[in-house]
Amino acid sequence: EDKVVQSPLSLVVHEGDTVTLNCSYEVTNFRSLLWYKQEKKAPTFLFMLTSSGIEKKSGRLSSILDKKELFSILNITATQTGDSAIYLCAVEASQGGSEKLVFGKGMKLTVNP
Amino acid sequence: NAGVTQTPKFRVLKTGQSMTLLCAQDMNHEYMYWYRQDPGMGLRLIHYSVGEGTTAKGEVPDGYNVSRLKKQNFLLGLESAAPSQTSVYFCASSYSWGGGLDQPQHFGDGTRLSIL
Repeated sequence: EDKVVQSPLSLVVHEGDTVTLNCSYEVTNFRSLLWYKQEKKAPTFLFMLTSSGIEKKSGRLSSILDKKELFSILNITATQTGDSAIYLCAVEASQGGSEKLVFGKGMKLTVNP
Repeated sequence: NAGVTQTPKFRVLKTGQSMTLLCAQDMNHEYMYWYRQDPGMGLRLIHYSVGEGTTAKGEVPDGYNVSRLKKQNFLLGLESAAPSQTSVYFCASSYSWGGGLDQPQHFGDGTRLSIL
């Protein structure tokens, strides 16, 4: 059964800390891994990763994929209170000609001032 | 630029009642999706559509029906609501399946549905 596991499920840090979010997966015919940030409402897209070892960066956020060990990490440096959110990891996979997108349970990050 | 719009934003139903959630997108996306999000469960795909007039089952389709009569709209129906369907429902759309090829899924703001 395809699955995506995020850890930790929740984390509380202080402003300025650096955090690392983990996402491991077991899927059939991996195609891509996506990270989303969800604040109060809709998830918003952060990164899409398809190749191992290539880091994607956007400001203080960065992410990298390891297709051999089947995981990805999302790093946030110099955290701010505005980084408080649920971070979702999802993996796009294909099986028998059909496609699927499997989400992890999400990781709740709280950044205190 | 509205993106993905869901209506209503909130609804309380009694067990056995029916209702339809509406999702509209103005990005000319082919793919549309309905998810439910429950505490500790993450996002789970209910149904999806790969184009006008087509629908397919996702991970948790039981108790729901969908229709895609127009490309821009994707409707989610509950024929006989049950307390287990209390959840937050998200609609999403994308240019390609799953939002790959650097074309991510765009999500609506969600509909909070409570079944008493």
